[in-house]
Amino acid sequence: DIQMTQSPSFLSASVGDRVTINCKASQNINRYLNWYQQKLGEAPKLLIYNANSLQTGIPSRFSGSGSGTDFTLTISSLQPEDVATYFCLQHNSWPNTFGAGTKLELK
Amino acid sequence: EVQLVESGGGLVQPGRSMKLSCAASGFTFSNYGMAWVRQAPTKGLEWVATISYDGSSTYYRDSVKGRFTISRDNAKSTLYLQMNSLRSEDTATYYCTRGTMGDYWGQGVMVTVSS
Repeated sequence: DIQMTQSPSFLSASVGDRVTINCKASQNINRYLNWYQQKLGEAPKLLIYNANSLQTGIPSRFSGSGSGTDFTLTISSLQPEDVATYFCLQHNSWPNTFGAGTKLELK
Repeated sequence: EVQLVESGGGLVQPGRSMKLSCAASGFTFSNYGMAWVRQAPTKGLEWVATISYDGSSTYYRDSVKGRFTISRDNAKSTLYLQMNSLRSEDTATYYCTRGTMGDYWGQGVMVTVSS
């Protein structure tokens, strides 16, 4: 199975900060990498698909980059409603595998 | 609006069976592959099984292979997960998700395997 190493596992930032979360795949996954946001008690929500495509309805402060093995989710200006856990998912090869998650809180 | 509504969870003893359902609406169900993803309490997400749009192909993670069966009824726009020989490590919230990359998710249903 492809291992997804996500960092950091915990992040504290202030409103307006630029935030970056990283995922590293154990082998080449091309651009088959998604980012999800999960708020407490809710289902995950797709933010970014195929590394850098913004899902419909997601604010433009969210962006994704990377290819191959290294990927980044960026929130350009953190908002209070962005407090959540963020996961990456590789869907290049079966089984799809997730990163362990990054818990983002407000400072 | 895409909606996925899971049902059928609850408490079950180890070794017993349970069947989950996911009712889909707001899109043409028969055009999409579907999947089940689970999340154990305070743990990360784990992709469990995937089924093709027409049900002809299925994929399972190793830990559930031979015990779980994913299926679908396109006439009823419903996805299923039959879980047999349940173990304590199967305890999780089970989510139904659309497509092979999970663009929409249901709210999830809790399955607790305990004596």
